[in-house]
Amino acid sequence: DGGITQSPKYLFRKEGQNVTLSCEQNLNHDAMYWYRQDPGQGLRLIYYSQIVNDFQKGDIAEGYSVSREKKESFPLTVTSAQKNPTAFYLCASTPQGYNTEAFFGQGTRLTVV
Amino acid sequence: SQQGEEDPQALSIQEGENATMNCSYKTSINNLQWYRQNSGRGLVHLILIRSNEREKHSGRLRVTLDTSKKSSSLLITASRAADTASYFCATVTGNQFYFGTGTSLTVIP
Repeated sequence: DGGITQSPKYLFRKEGQNVTLSCEQNLNHDAMYWYRQDPGQGLRLIYYSQIVNDFQKGDIAEGYSVSREKKESFPLTVTSAQKNPTAFYLCASTPQGYNTEAFFGQGTRLTVV
Repeated sequence: SQQGEEDPQALSIQEGENATMNCSYKTSINNLQWYRQNSGRGLVHLILIRSNEREKHSGRLRVTLDTSKKSSSLLITASRAADTASYFCATVTGNQFYFGTGTSLTVIP
């Protein structure tokens, strides 16, 4: 089945640690996105990538980093510089072109302990 | 911020009633989309309306778009308990998706 997979579903991070969230898609989509969702709020864009080896910052990129070495994969690293990382993280992908829908993974809930 | 805003923030209705939620945005768009999110899950696409369209239907869903007022509405007819979820509008410009703050819908059986 085609889809977008995020792992792990739950992740716990100690203060000062970097953690990496995985996002893999087998939809052959060109564009991939990372969003952060805080309780009762909408989605805020962290990073996006339109093509392999290229990515751009979104509205809240500080404290995060990404890579896009393969079309299928767009991992997000939450660094120690991110002061308030506890949130629900969502990865999405879209095919090339206009008027396309976004396909979402099931999310990773990150908690700082 | 280009984030849209939905209202109401929360809506509670009886099963069988219609639910209407609204979305306002600030910039020009290619299209506007509505998504549904069950608690703790990812978003699921419901319907897309292009900037040159005014109304679109899909099953029990009806979406309208008024680009002059920069607003859209989502109507869910004959609601069911299974429609309980959060609903988000997303305005799309190029390949950029900007999501609203969401409406939390509760349908009481």
